Amino acid sequence: SQQGEEDPQALSIQEGENATMNCSYKTSINNLQWYRQNSGRGLVHLILIRSNEREKHSGRLRVTLDTSKKSSSLLITASRAADTASYFCATGDNNAGNMLTFGGGTRLMVKP
Amino acid sequence: NAGVTQTPKFQVLKTGQSMTLQCAQDMNHNSMYWYRQDPGMGLRLIYYSASEGTTDKGEVPNGYNVSRLNKREFSLRLESAAPSQTSVYFCASSERWTSGTDTQYFGPGTRLTVL
Repeated sequence: SQQGEEDPQALSIQEGENATMNCSYKTSINNLQWYRQNSGRGLVHLILIRSNEREKHSGRLRVTLDTSKKSSSLLITASRAADTASYFCATGDNNAGNMLTFGGGTRLMVKP
Repeated sequence: NAGVTQTPKFQVLKTGQSMTLQCAQDMNHNSMYWYRQDPGMGLRLIYYSASEGTTDKGEVPNGYNVSRLNKREFSLRLESAAPSQTSVYFCASSERWTSGTDTQYFGPGTRLTVL
């Protein structure tokens, strides 16, 4: 079963616009990670936010975490055509070592 | 550094055939993982190896076996392939198992079709 559920499933925007993707999960976590997958490729780690953090930034990426609502959001600012990819959230549980549970992903298309 | 490599990139099998997917990492990581990704879905964990010499079942282990050959290599075997195993298979590795927060590094995937 999937822990994380991303919303929306697909998103199409123009270059320069901001893209926001949301992730909801069901059980308690100790961290939440976001990964990007370009078409036909493996996943690449973007950012990790721990359960005691509320917001984290990395370049044009901003991640928020609301543990009371069991949700996270990924914001990509000033999007570029190269940001076109699928984005997945993955949750980690303190009791499960380094095992991650992935959501179904958001397919982002950025039109030039 | 090549990171995580997987062979083969593509494979077509007939129902009942067997095959082994190979994975190797050159980052001296302790933990390795096998996932499958079905169309439009996220990744589901098949098996993992927290450290050399240990393997454990993930969410969807039925129909698969694994071998942690040494610290670098972690193979996935399908003994009798079924059409339901048509998927893209990803291998990943991470530095440690116990931290709970280690980044996982992924290989490029093996696209398997079972007819």
